[in-house]
Amino acid sequence: ETGVTQSPTHLIKTRGQQVTLRCSSQSGHNTVSWYQQALGQGPQFIFQYYREEENGRGNFPPRFSGLQFPNYSSELNVNALELDDSALYLCASSMKSPVSLAGELFFGEGSRLTVL
Amino acid sequence: QKEVEQDPGPLSVPEGAIVSLNCTYSNSAFQYFMWYRQYSRKGPELLMYTYSSGNKEDGRFTAQVDKSSKYISLFIRDSQPSDSATYLCAMSVAAGNKLTFGGGTRVLVKP
Repeated sequence: ETGVTQSPTHLIKTRGQQVTLRCSSQSGHNTVSWYQQALGQGPQFIFQYYREEENGRGNFPPRFSGLQFPNYSSELNVNALELDDSALYLCASSMKSPVSLAGELFFGEGSRLTVL
Repeated sequence: QKEVEQDPGPLSVPEGAIVSLNCTYSNSAFQYFMWYRQYSRKGPELLMYTYSSGNKEDGRFTAQVDKSSKYISLFIRDSQPSDSATYLCAMSVAAGNKLTFGGGTRVLVKP
């Protein structure tokens, strides 16, 4: 158990709809990252939030947006869903500090999104 | 060409054998190298972390990084059926920065 919880675990949407995925970070972690993992592929970096501000973004369009709250929980919002958005969405929390290790990301179990 | 290449497998080995996994990469700026294990329908779990070149051992796991060849490896000794999973390599340029993952290698350890 990593202490990172995500909801919902599974959901089905239709093309054009909007979705919100939620993540509760591990206690004490101030950074959250979101990744998209298509079936049979490695995770792809969407963006990272540090102290409620976006702190890096991958090659994803603006219809992918996020929020981080004062309690360090986070949301991923995707508008105008497309079929290719079907994937496992992973949230990972970490503690950003001068001495934190780059690899110490703790992943949740993910939210599996199916777009029909 | 992907930034990080990893053979998708599947790699099937008998119980007790050594599992050898590797990744190649093209970005010479990568300095932090990780291996994650992912069971079916679960999130990735960090196994090993290495900074720059060198070896690191943790129990049955050994990670090696050769930056001159842009090549990293993970060895699993005395493999067990519970080691059956997908193994993902990941790397980053700076601490706390985004991770770039390989596509994962599926490993099956047969009893």
